[in-house]
Amino acid sequence: QSVLTQPPSVSGAPGQRVTISCTGSSSNIGAGSDVHWYQQLPGAAPKLLIYGNSNRPSGVPDRVSGSKSGTSASLAITGLQAEDEANYYCQSYDSSLSGVVFGGGTKLTVL
Amino acid sequence: QLQLQESGPGLVKPSETLSLTCTVSGGSISRSSYYWGWIRQPPGKGLEWIGSIYYSGSTHYNPSLKSRVTISVDTSKNQFSLKVSSVTAADTAVYYCARQTPGNDAFDIWGQGTMVTVSS
Repeated sequence: QSVLTQPPSVSGAPGQRVTISCTGSSSNIGAGSDVHWYQQLPGAAPKLLIYGNSNRPSGVPDRVSGSKSGTSASLAITGLQAEDEANYYCQSYDSSLSGVVFGGGTKLTVL
Repeated sequence: QLQLQESGPGLVKPSETLSLTCTVSGGSISRSSYYWGWIRQPPGKGLEWIGSIYYSGSTHYNPSLKSRVTISVDTSKNQFSLKVSSVTAADTAVYYCARQTPGNDAFDIWGQGTMVTVSS
């Protein structure tokens, strides 16, 4: 049972928009801790996709965006492409646990 | 360009100690404000933060693993290391080392990961 809750799977057709939610609590996201998102392709290490709730590292396309509100955060991907098919994880800091926490991960399938 | 590379035994016996090293190249581990972390991923499962260390030796551990985990740093070799004691099959996982950005805890650069199997 992860501290941050993500849907196990989402799907969308090429060109569509999908969102992945990350629900936390008053001791992590709701306490003001930043949310970060990672993309993990099969057999590869995770790659930082969004940091500080809504910032994209260099090289990440602007069709990827992040947002945060209250005790939740969301990752949105527009103009879905086959290469977006991967697992996505959110991450934050939990003050009650005094440590980094990850969501359980969401598998994105491009139909 | 900064790179991280994990190394260590791929097979560890139950009750023994798992030991891994992360070698940092392309930059100094001690010339920055970054923390350096370990994250693991059991087969088919999600990511779990193990702990992080600053070049000065200051550490932060996952409370669920704290009693069995030690992370250390060797600035002369530009390496940091992980030890997990009294391992069981539940410690079987891909172990990643990563750089953790100051101020927001994001892991911005990752090693490729190394698979460790706990089995007799």
